[in-house]
Amino acid sequence: GAVVSQHPSRVICKSGTSVKIECRSLDFQATTMFWYRQFPKKSLMLMATSNEGSKATYEQGVEKDKFLINHASLTLSTLTVTSAHPEDSSFYICSASLANSYNEQFFGPGTRLTVL
Amino acid sequence: AQKITQTQPGMFVQEKEAVTLDCTYDTSDQSYGLFWYKQPSSGEMIFLIYQGSYDEQNATEGRYSLNFQKARKSANLVISASQLGDSAMYFCAMREGRDYKLSFGAGTTVTVRA
Repeated sequence: GAVVSQHPSRVICKSGTSVKIECRSLDFQATTMFWYRQFPKKSLMLMATSNEGSKATYEQGVEKDKFLINHASLTLSTLTVTSAHPEDSSFYICSASLANSYNEQFFGPGTRLTVL
Repeated sequence: AQKITQTQPGMFVQEKEAVTLDCTYDTSDQSYGLFWYKQPSSGEMIFLIYQGSYDEQNATEGRYSLNFQKARKSANLVISASQLGDSAMYFCAMREGRDYKLSFGAGTTVTVRA
């Protein structure tokens, strides 16, 4: 099956710094990638939809200046948490869809962000 | 309104027994897809099974089967012959129309007892 990787898997940073998380589709081209946030024992909350070559579409309530998303190629999307604060600590998961395939979405292993 | 409702926060099941996880959904689209994912403590989301709204047969994948009742808008997951490795959180999700986005339920934590 299609493989999606995320890097880093864990990151600890100081309050006020920015953190970049990468999401890569390893063996397929992903025109659309999604970024989710998950709190412990809670559901996945969609943050934004990332389309290659265009601006990301953010869900209501998600600050686009806080969570910068770039989808520069068909295999890479990045999420940058700018000026991170402790309340940004969470599990961030990306997923990718195959072009023209509504029925398959492949998830990355997630990135655990801890802001001190 | 919630698009996906999972009413069971946690369930215990004896090893080798079957367990049913409930999922109801709400959509006005005629075309939609329903998914079940497993999330172990490691955090990765593992795809289990998919049911399309136009599929007449209930989906099955090994020990997983989806009890699709369209009129009741329910898509329950049945895990047969539970194994200790099935202990995890399980999420029901839905895609609507031509939208790639998934809406997730709150999840059900399953604990399999030896």
